[in-house]
Amino acid sequence: GAGVSQSPSNKVTEKGKDVELRCDPISGHTALYWYRQSLGQGLEFLIYFQGNSAPDKSGLPSDRFSAERTGGSVSTLTIQRTQQEDSAVYLCASSLGLGSSGNAEAFFGQGTRLTVV
Amino acid sequence: DQQVKQNSPSLSVQEGRISILNCDYTNSMFDYFLWYKKYPAEGPTFLISISSIKDKNEDGRFTVFLNKSAKHLSLHIVPSQPGDSAVYFCAASEYGNKLVFGAGTILRVKS
Repeated sequence: GAGVSQSPSNKVTEKGKDVELRCDPISGHTALYWYRQSLGQGLEFLIYFQGNSAPDKSGLPSDRFSAERTGGSVSTLTIQRTQQEDSAVYLCASSLGLGSSGNAEAFFGQGTRLTVV
Repeated sequence: DQQVKQNSPSLSVQEGRISILNCDYTNSMFDYFLWYKKYPAEGPTFLISISSIKDKNEDGRFTVFLNKSAKHLSLHIVPSQPGDSAVYFCAASEYGNKLVFGAGTILRVKS
């Protein structure tokens, strides 16, 4: 499809295990975001990639969280030594990015629901 | 420091009436503003946007108003329908750069 694709859609993991969440952005989009939404909460910004610039990691809650974007396309969010408070829906979005105001419109994937037991 | 604020966590409106969702921002360099709608178990979807060179943009039942001097924007939905019940997020950007989202407002439209 032409939208943002995230996998897996659901992930249940044991506390202490590492998990990897994948995001396939829309082709040609230079900007990519990761957010998470915990139950009853708003969108929590995690990390932002824009082209070849250094990513904005200011939203990552701890050093257990990391993300990379290979070849300017697919991104992987890794959570090491998962904790129960990491349980949330992790959302990825992409946009055309810098260069024009209208390029800011971000398109979201359906999210990955992570449950840490 | 929250650059985009939605001060009302929730709003309840009767079907057929107008819904008004508000958003304030602090960064005067923001030049593009968007509203997103989110249903449970789905990702947010784009609803309507406005450039800072305008003060109003309309799309069917949805109208966004921008007051740059007050750094305030609002989303009007009229008439409201039960299917409009969702979480609405306001977002802002500077020249296509990182979108900054508000905390969201839960809209409930009662039939």
